[in-house]
Amino acid sequence: RKEVEQDPGPFNVPEGATVAFNCTYSNSASQSFFWYRQDCRKEPKLLMSVYSSGNEDGRFTAQLNRASQYISLLIRDSKLSDSATYLCGVPSGAGSYQLTFGKGTKLSVIP
Amino acid sequence: DTEVTQTPKHLVMGMTNKKSLKCEQHMGHRAMYWYKQKAKKPPELMFVYSYEKLSINESVPSRFSPECPNSSLLNLHLHALQPEDSALYLCASSQVGGITDTQYFGPGTRLTVL
Repeated sequence: RKEVEQDPGPFNVPEGATVAFNCTYSNSASQSFFWYRQDCRKEPKLLMSVYSSGNEDGRFTAQLNRASQYISLLIRDSKLSDSATYLCGVPSGAGSYQLTFGKGTKLSVIP
Repeated sequence: DTEVTQTPKHLVMGMTNKKSLKCEQHMGHRAMYWYKQKAKKPPELMFVYSYEKLSINESVPSRFSPECPNSSLLNLHLHALQPEDSALYLCASSQVGGITDTQYFGPGTRLTVL
């Protein structure tokens, strides 16, 4: 299994839809997980961090399944402004700061 | 708005040039990172500095030379680069230690090597 794998996408969804992305990881010792969004030609920006079973912030919910080693990101009531690439980041080294990213999932929200 | 700044935003250089990328953060973080990102790929870790000491070098060619003058600054010196080194170079910082070690990225320097 690759260190961090994400749904390949692209996901094209209408405004108002609910969409979910998955991210699987191989390092069972990882304690924290991160979702970043990256707009075209911009830097990754932290969307959510997950340390326990899950985290919720408005329309965004991240869930962690340690037994199956995956995290998911759920976006409810999609907005046009949610269109971006979503990167999953997982610490993979001996120190918590060696972050490995998945290839990202591209989301396009269409009117 | 990001609290990690990077200069320059864009850089075009020839294969014989020497240039430097600069990164600065004022969040009191003690870990700083350089990543390289090619188009449609995820960021790839290059170097990690922890408490101003190089702690991780991901087998990066010697034409890339990092430097951490103090806890707020991180430089990346470039010399004799190849066209395939053209990419977005991202700097990030984080607090060191603890489960909440979130990395925050700067806006990046878009490098083109001719």
